[in-house]
Amino acid sequence: KAGVTQTPRYLIKTRGQQVTLSCSPISGHRSVSWYQQTPGQGLQFLFEYFSETQRNKGNFPGRFSGRQFSNSRSEMNVSTLELGDSALYLCASSLYGGLANTIYFGEGSWLTVV
Amino acid sequence: KNEVEQSPQNLTAQEGEFITINCSYSVGISALHWLQQHPGGGIVSLFMLSSGKKKHGRLIATINIQEKHSSLHITASHPRDSAVYICAVQRGSGGSNYKLTFGKGTLLTVNP
Repeated sequence: KAGVTQTPRYLIKTRGQQVTLSCSPISGHRSVSWYQQTPGQGLQFLFEYFSETQRNKGNFPGRFSGRQFSNSRSEMNVSTLELGDSALYLCASSLYGGLANTIYFGEGSWLTVV
Repeated sequence: KNEVEQSPQNLTAQEGEFITINCSYSVGISALHWLQQHPGGGIVSLFMLSSGKKKHGRLIATINIQEKHSSLHITASHPRDSAVYICAVQRGSGGSNYKLTFGKGTLLTVNP
């Protein structure tokens, strides 16, 4: 069965622009979570969605937002991009997001802000 | 101090050696994950533990909830094991408290 698919894989944006990243979870998975990975901070949790509802949010400014659609696909949006937003953005899916549910990660979207 | 601390940060081994990576955490958790990340970004979940020990092939993961400590062992290491190994803790059992907090990772290089 297909894994977690993230698009686009690579993108370059200019400061002040906005960007939308997409994540298609494994079929049947209802929990989708997003993470940011930078060399300085490592991996950090952004937010998690379950059945179109944001269940939890990490410590990121309001410029970072997301949503989940009825087919469990998810998007995250970053507005007013800053140089520090350059990172690998990873999405992961699991059945319900709870204990005993293995988490499956996508390959990530590499964002460069210039 | 980070909630999740890993050691060592870097580890170089010869093929065939037994490897141990450690993870200590300072908060109450419901589960601990060991993840593997190869160059290029993709992450694979190796284990999810809430108690005891799990084994998969040459990989063994243990957790001591009382001591807030987990170890990942690789027996008979191979160059293809070269990757970054990341420990992550999960707080809450799903629902509104679900989130992962990550260690900084351990870069493992296994030389032939």
